[in-house]
Amino acid sequence: DTEVTQTPKHLVMGMTNKKSLKCEQHMGHRAMYWYKQKAKKPPELMFVYSYEKLSINESVPSRFSPECPNSSLLNLHLHALQPEDSALYLCASSEGLAGGPLGNTQYFGPGTRLTVL
Amino acid sequence: AQKITQTQPGMFVQEKEAVTLDCTYDTSDPSYGLFWYKQPSSGEMIFLIYQGSYDQQNATEGRYSLNFQKARKSANLVISASQLGDSAMYFCAMRVNTGGFKTIFGAGTRLFVKA
Repeated sequence: DTEVTQTPKHLVMGMTNKKSLKCEQHMGHRAMYWYKQKAKKPPELMFVYSYEKLSINESVPSRFSPECPNSSLLNLHLHALQPEDSALYLCASSEGLAGGPLGNTQYFGPGTRLTVL
Repeated sequence: AQKITQTQPGMFVQEKEAVTLDCTYDTSDPSYGLFWYKQPSSGEMIFLIYQGSYDQQNATEGRYSLNFQKARKSANLVISASQLGDSAMYFCAMRVNTGGFKTIFGAGTRLFVKA
């Protein structure tokens, strides 16, 4: 089973709202990722967690706040977003950060389509 | 600096024919992995195939094969016997084993399969 689930599928929020995106995997993977994807563009890495610790933060604005409460869950807390933050937010996981094909391969969830009004 | 280049914004192929999607990469790291992902209009990124930099043979997964030419730094995806369901965006990606193990993606190629 290579399933990564994300909720909600769609989210519309105002610029003053606080919301959270949720990602879950039960493959025993120890690395989890958040990507942002604008229309017709490739995904852009936002954050990487390894063994529940933040490993990479790609200079993402503080209005995006990641959280990894346990090895299966990854959240992205949203606060005071801007309309330009509207995008598809993809979560992914991999066995780890290093190693051969099994460790390297990232499996993605279906994404959350976020619209900021 | 690491870079992935996909020069074909869009490709058309007749159903049941084979198609090659181009990908070139640039890295000075000797250890790296190359991936292809498929993204239908629904948005999910579907892993298709992986090639490691030290792998001697080209990777194959069902109708997908990766034509790996290390000296040319190319990793083209070949889809045999195209199906209507293959219509999607295809991304080539590279992961290097230094610099934080980041994965970088190419711009993508939109494939249209005609009936």
